[in-house]
Amino acid sequence: AQRVTQPEKLLSVFKGAPVELKCNYSYSGSPELFWYVQYSRQRLQLLLRHISRESIKGFTADLNKGETSFHLKKPFAQEEDSAMYYCALSGSARQLTFGSGTQLTVLP
Amino acid sequence: NAGVTQTPKFQVLKTGQSMTLQCAQDMNHNSMYWYRQDPGMGLRLIYYSASEGTTDKGEVPNGYNVSRLNKREFSLRLESAAPSQTSVYFCASRSSGAAEKTQYFGPGTRLLVL
Repeated sequence: AQRVTQPEKLLSVFKGAPVELKCNYSYSGSPELFWYVQYSRQRLQLLLRHISRESIKGFTADLNKGETSFHLKKPFAQEEDSAMYYCALSGSARQLTFGSGTQLTVLP
Repeated sequence: NAGVTQTPKFQVLKTGQSMTLQCAQDMNHNSMYWYRQDPGMGLRLIYYSASEGTTDKGEVPNGYNVSRLNKREFSLRLESAAPSQTSVYFCASRSSGAAEKTQYFGPGTRLLVL
């Protein structure tokens, strides 16, 4: 079975502060991990995926297989980063398993 | 390209009524999905269709049926709506390539069952 855990339902930081959204997963094989973002009342959008090793909107995430984590980080948060963030895992089947999400609020 | 589209955007139903949520994609994707989004629970898979002509149950299929009408369209039907089905419903699609696992989402349908 595959599972994704996002331990923080809510996270608030001040503008310009670093932010880290935690994601831990459980999967016996080699997973592919994603971060999706949902701005207020909009559709989910792909933010980044671990195989691309890219930085989108200043966000990065590194897959740590030893700790089974895929935390999302940004060194300097902006107010426009306020959104719901979902970590997701794709295993062997053609399905995504989502975490419960973290609502990020960046305060001015 | 419109990507993934959904209709309606919002619907209010009375308990026991039926309705069909429509989803279409113009990206020539093989796989399509229906999720529901509830506070504190993330997105949960209701049904999915790996290819035209096939459908499979996801995590929470009870109370729903689906139809993969053709490669573009994947509909979700509630035969007898219940208040527990009040939710936001998202449709998604994914490329046919085995290496491509990114799913693309529609704008969602907000459903309220009274």
